[in-house]
Order: sequence, then C-alpha cells, then structure tokens
Amino acid sequence: NAGVMQNPRHLVRRRGQEARLRCSPMKGHSHVYWYRQLPEEGLKFMVYLQKENIIDESGMPKERFSAEFPKEGPSILRIQQVVRGDSAAYFCASSLSGTYYEQYFGPGTRLTVT
Amino acid sequence: KNEVEQSPQNLTAQEGEFITINCSYSVGISALHWLQQHPGGGIVSLFMLSSGKKKHGRLIATINIQEKHSSLHITASHPRDSAVYICAVRENTGNQFYFGTGTSLTVIP
Repeated sequence: NAGVMQNPRHLVRRRGQEARLRCSPMKGHSHVYWYRQLPEEGLKFMVYLQKENIIDESGMPKERFSAEFPKEGPSILRIQQVVRGDSAAYFCASSLSGTYYEQYFGPGTRLTVT
Repeated sequence: KNEVEQSPQNLTAQEGEFITINCSYSVGISALHWLQQHPGGGIVSLFMLSSGKKKHGRLIATINIQEKHSSLHITASHPRDSAVYICAVRENTGNQFYFGTGTSLTVIP
C-alpha cells in the first residue's frame, strides 16, 4: 500500500538548467497538490491539479514554472531556467477527491540550485 | 499580515506534560488541517476538521469556527512527539491553502 511517492528526493541543478519533479499519488487518488517550502519559511500552496486539468494555479510563479498531471503517469512540476531562489523543498500531496478529503503528503524533493 | 498565525513559535516541554498549540486564521475556511513535520522533513497529516473536535490517540484537535481558532493538544507528551506542528486552512472561496509558520516542539525526557 504505497503512499505518495516523489522523485528524485534530492536534485541539484546549476543556474539556467531545468528541474523536473515527479509525484505519484496514492492509488486511487485523482487530486494532486504541489507546495513549496523555502528555507526558514513555511509551506506555500503552488498548484492544484486533477487528472488532465489544472484546477487552481494561483500560487505558481507566473514565469518558468509549470505543472501537469497527465491521464497516465505521475504529476510533473517543471521549473525552467532555475535560479538560486528556487532552492527549496517541494512537496506534493494527493487526495481521493476535492475539498473535504484528507491530503496525504509525499516525502518531498529537495532542490538545490548552485 | 499572515492569514494563519500560530503560537507559540517554539515550545519546550518535559516528558509527560500536556501541550497546547494554538492557531488563529483570518479567512473563511472549508477545512483546517494540522500537520506534523519531523526533522527529516517528511509531513504527516494529523487531522482535518471543519467543526468540533477530533481525537486520535494522545492527540486532540478542536476548532471554533465563530472565533476562527483551533487548538492542538498533546496529552502525556513523549520525546518522539518532538517535531514542527503546522496549521493549514483551505479557503472556502476557492482552492487556496494558507499555512502557519509552524510550532517547533521539543519534548525532553
């Protein structure tokens, strides 16, 4: 009974490179949320997706960041042309359905931009 | 101003003590979550509540919707309870989540 899986757990990128973070939700879950935790700061909501749909991306930076949750396969958070300020822990969570369902968190991906 | 405020920021307790962590929020919500983040960084959802009170083992969470306030209580605290406890709310006008900055709890044997 696998929980939410994220990979890689640690990712190092040089400035200007692309980072791809993957999230496999719990079995049967069709809702995925991405959050970012900057060093010494709290968690911030980024985006909420259902299969093949972005429901709410109000927390996503307007440039360089994108997210998808295809019909098959994991959800992907993509950061283009990374900068040092993108260094953070990125967590995803999944839920069975929307508002009134418990979210289960993955272990996070720690992105370091050098 | 943060939409979610937690207190205290840091808390040290002796093993066995009763612990209370408070959370106040300023937006209308559909649900409030209490999360636990261990030093390794992993996050566990402890409670999701929209009214009343929930209990799980030694943990109790309460919410007062009128006062926009929630508390997390830990009875008979243990060193393994040492972690950061985070309050999060889901705004009722959309899907936006707001998080408190967390309460860092250390329980000393």
